[in-house]
Amino acid sequence: DVVMTQTPPSLSVAIGQSVSISCKSSQSLVYSDGKTYLHWLLQSPGRSPKRLIYQVSNLGSGVPDRFSGTGSQKDFTLKISRVEAEDLGVYYCAQTTHFPPMYTFGAGTKLELK
Amino acid sequence: EVQLVESGGGLVQPGSSLKLSCVASGFTFSSYNMHWIRQAPKKGLEWIALIYYDSSNKYYADSVKGRFTISRDNSKNTLYLEMNSLRSEDTAMYYCAKKALAYWGQGTLVTVSS
Repeated sequence: DVVMTQTPPSLSVAIGQSVSISCKSSQSLVYSDGKTYLHWLLQSPGRSPKRLIYQVSNLGSGVPDRFSGTGSQKDFTLKISRVEAEDLGVYYCAQTTHFPPMYTFGAGTKLELK
Repeated sequence: EVQLVESGGGLVQPGSSLKLSCVASGFTFSSYNMHWIRQAPKKGLEWIALIYYDSSNKYYADSVKGRFTISRDNSKNTLYLEMNSLRSEDTAMYYCAKKALAYWGQGTLVTVSS
């Protein structure tokens, strides 16, 4: 099974600061169609997860362009420029390339206020 | 607007059964694969089941295979998860999600305890 490793487990930031979160996969996430099915989700406190970025770098509907995703093969990064209070919560990466047998999530990165 | 509304959760004893529902609106339900994903208290996300748009294929995580059954009724825009032989480790918030994790419901809480 594919293992997704996120770092760091937590981040303390000040409003307006920029941060990056890393997600590494145990296998390449390039599918047979040439696309890479690596996504980023945000779970705000007390809320259900929301997909921010799909297929490495595509912003979801209504997601501000302060969020950006980069990477390829097994190594991916989510960057948040100019963090705002509404950005606080737990960020998850997720792969949907290797299905079946399953979708796999990273363990999450908790973004907190400094 | 896409909406997914889960229901059916509750407190049950180990070994018992429960059936969750997820009512979809705002999109053509019968055209999309659907998922169940769960989150144990203070833990990360775990994908548990997928059903194709036409019910032709179903997939399960090893942790629930043989105990849980995913199904859907496209005439009612409703996704189901029938859970049997429940264990304490099945205690979690259960979310339904649309294809590629694009949309999530608010979740329904299942607590398995004596």
